Parts: sequence; C-alpha cells; structure tokens
Amino acid sequence: GQQLNQSPQSMFIQEGEDVSMNCTSSSIFNTWLWYKQDPGEGPVLLIALYKAGELTSNGRLTAQFGITRKDSFLNISASIPSDVGIYFCAGQRFKGTYKYIFGTGTRLKVLA
Amino acid sequence: DAMVIQNPRYQVTQFGKPVTLSCSQTLNHNVMYWYQQKSSQAPKLLFHYYDKDFNNEADTPDNFQSRRPNTSFCFLDIRSPGLGDAAMYLCATAQGPDTQYFGPGTRLTVL
Repeated sequence: GQQLNQSPQSMFIQEGEDVSMNCTSSSIFNTWLWYKQDPGEGPVLLIALYKAGELTSNGRLTAQFGITRKDSFLNISASIPSDVGIYFCAGQRFKGTYKYIFGTGTRLKVLA
Repeated sequence: DAMVIQNPRYQVTQFGKPVTLSCSQTLNHNVMYWYQQKSSQAPKLLFHYYDKDFNNEADTPDNFQSRRPNTSFCFLDIRSPGLGDAAMYLCATAQGPDTQYFGPGTRLTVL
C-alpha cells in the first residue's frame, strides 16, 4: 500500500537538543496526525492537524501542517530520554474515507 | 481510563490453528480499524468498519476476517495462521473522519 516518506529514518541526539522530522508526499492531504510508539505498545496520538498552515503545540512538541498540504513537520524541543521511540506521521487524503496512510517512521534515540 | 482495549496482549498459536483477537472501546466511536504491524514498520490497514459497514483493503488476505457485533466490540479472526502472520495487531477507533486512537496491540506469535 501507499506510504508517506518520512525523514530522517533514524536519529541519535543528545539530551537537551531540539529534534525536527518531516513527512512528505506528492499528494495533497486533508488531515495530518503525529504518533509516538514505544516498543511493544500501540501508537499514541501526539498532535492532530486539520488545516493548511496550522501550527499546533503539545508541551515540548510542535507540529505544522504544510501550506502546500503535501507535508507536515514535527519538532521536539529540549529532548529528554523518554522521548526515545518511533514517531509516525499519518495523513488522510479524503475526508469521509476514514482511512489514514502512514509514514515510514522516524526512530529517535536520545543519549543522556 | 482505558479507551481502546485489546485482549489478549500476547497470543501464541500454532501454525494453522484459528485464532481470534478482540478489541473493545469505551469511546462510542463509529469507526473501528484493524492494522497489522511488523518489526517497527508502519502499521498496515487490514480493514475497517464504519458502523456495521465493512471495508476490506484490496490486499488483505482472505485468511483474515473480522466481526463487529456491536459498537463497542470488534474481532479479528485469522483462520489458518502462517508463520508470516506473526506480528503486532493494532485496533484503532475514530469518530467519523476524525482523529484515530489506537489500542495497546496484541503481539501474535505463530509456532
């Protein structure tokens, strides 16, 4: 099935650093969701975006719905060890289809 | 305050022996999904229900079936599990074309 391109694929950062990751597509999306998944657990919703250009924060996390509607970005400020995990974006192309396409994931490792 | 509950969290079955995974929700959402996820890959949608309307993905094998007897419960039946079906199975819910919430998943092992 179709997947969204997510980058970077993985990253190692020092505790306290800021992190940026993005999700891109050649298609237009109507909704973007960002999830974090810990090993052996289900994805946990971090931020939902519904309009082009929308910028939304959740604590140290900030996500943006790209103005072209073909991409989205997630930033984590002042990373801490518990930020480690896999981050997935998910986009919904057509409202009313109730289906999301997932990104390939960004694996984040934080070095204390 | 569990919202999407999956049981069991770990399931072991034998090759070819039917297995059923269950999902329940306390959110009263009208959409329920089943995903398969293998080794840190992206979740792969198997099928979803909008109320009682079943929507199968074109590439979901016939070996996978689903039932939704009421709003709260949804089941995934694997009729003859193969070694390649070992994976994490994730249930999710949504209220219409809105945000999607996942359960904790069931890790299936096939011996």
